[in-house]
Amino acid sequence: QKEVEQNSGPLSVPEGAIASLNCTYSDRGSQSFFWYRQYSGKSPELIMFIYSNGDKEDGRFTAQLNKASQYVSLLIRDSQPSDSATYLCAVSRGGGNKLTFGTGTQLKVEL
Amino acid sequence: ETGVTQTPRHLVMGMTNKKSLKCEQHLGHNAMYWYKQSAKKPLELMFVYSLEERVENNSVPSRFSPECPNSSHLFLHLHTLQPEDSALYLCASSQDRRSYYEQYFGPGTRLTVT
Repeated sequence: QKEVEQNSGPLSVPEGAIASLNCTYSDRGSQSFFWYRQYSGKSPELIMFIYSNGDKEDGRFTAQLNKASQYVSLLIRDSQPSDSATYLCAVSRGGGNKLTFGTGTQLKVEL
Repeated sequence: ETGVTQTPRHLVMGMTNKKSLKCEQHLGHNAMYWYKQSAKKPLELMFVYSLEERVENNSVPSRFSPECPNSSHLFLHLHTLQPEDSALYLCASSQDRRSYYEQYFGPGTRLTVT
């Protein structure tokens, strides 16, 4: 079993729709959860992090965490073509422990 | 320059060559990282330096040798690599090791081993 699992995609959504990206993790000791965006040929950039169960909203982005189900998701509202990228999920036990990344989900927002 | 820079951006080397990757951060951070990103594989943490001291080495083969002469510079010395070492090598930095999540990544070095 992979430590952090993501569907590789591509996930195609029309412009203006909600894109839903999912991630599951195997380590029940995980405390911190992150979403990075990586454009093709570019390096990853942090867009959201969440520590507590529930939802965390930042602009068009909402991160959702369910520790009991070991599941974290990222919702992107009003998707734009500029959101087309690979989204990496990462988890950590916290306290200076390393990040463990998933393989990423490729999102394509179509006009 | 700002942020995290890496040189070279692209590197092709034979298996018997010796080369070095360079990373420089202009953010005043105290922690620096080397990652390997291969196609269809998760980002893999290779090394962590905190205040110029190596604090983590994730079972990386000895043909990869990191060096951190000061808090702004990080090198990855390469020798007798294998074709499977071809990948994107990313450097990152954060304020300190506990702020690992606020890592700023460099643009990466695309390495091809022939």
